[in-house]
Amino acid sequence: AQKVTQAQTEISVVEKEDVTLDCVYETRDTTYYLFWYKQPPSGELVFLIRRNSFDEQNEISGRYSWNFQKSTSSFNFTITASQVVDSAVYFCALRSSGAGSYQLTFGKGTKLSVIP
Amino acid sequence: GAVVSQHPSRVICKSGTSVKIECRSLDFQATTMFWYRQFPKQSLMLMATSNEGSKATYEQGVEKDKFLINHASLTLSTLTVTSAHPEDSSFYICSAPGGGLNSPLHFGNGTRLTVT
Repeated sequence: AQKVTQAQTEISVVEKEDVTLDCVYETRDTTYYLFWYKQPPSGELVFLIRRNSFDEQNEISGRYSWNFQKSTSSFNFTITASQVVDSAVYFCALRSSGAGSYQLTFGKGTKLSVIP
Repeated sequence: GAVVSQHPSRVICKSGTSVKIECRSLDFQATTMFWYRQFPKQSLMLMATSNEGSKATYEQGVEKDKFLINHASLTLSTLTVTSAHPEDSSFYICSAPGGGLNSPLHFGNGTRLTVT
């Protein structure tokens, strides 16, 4: 069985603060893929990043960075110098290769509010 | 990049009527599409997997006679909510894989259904 846990339901930060969104996953497969999506108030899901289980390199993209640690089954997402436009619900998701399925298992999401 | 178009974005219907939601892959072929449902402030729950040329696969607890799925071509899947009731009011969102297992799902912009 697969499971994604986002323990933080809601987070509020003041603009320009850094914020880290936590994601912990469970899977029995040795090959799997992790994703982060952003869902702004308008509702669409915006793909942010994908990470393969065999690639533990952390990644930075502008103000966004991701910390993947297999030892703790975590794939945390940090926004540096947050902006009001970052306000959204962020979902962490998992896909295992075992079943050969493309479907994603989503966490419950973390609602981020950036206060000006 | 891969684009998924979903229509309509909003629909209001009366109880007892049926509503059809379309999901199209605009610049790629999708033999598989996924239909998710999202209640307010909750995560995305997979309803069913739509397969081109064969029957859809429904998740446990999803009524296949109520949520009819048809994958008519390699670029079109439709979800019909039959005899809609107020409890069917929700945000429905479709998605399609844009490549191999390591590729992200591409999501439509979602359909907000309100049944009065």
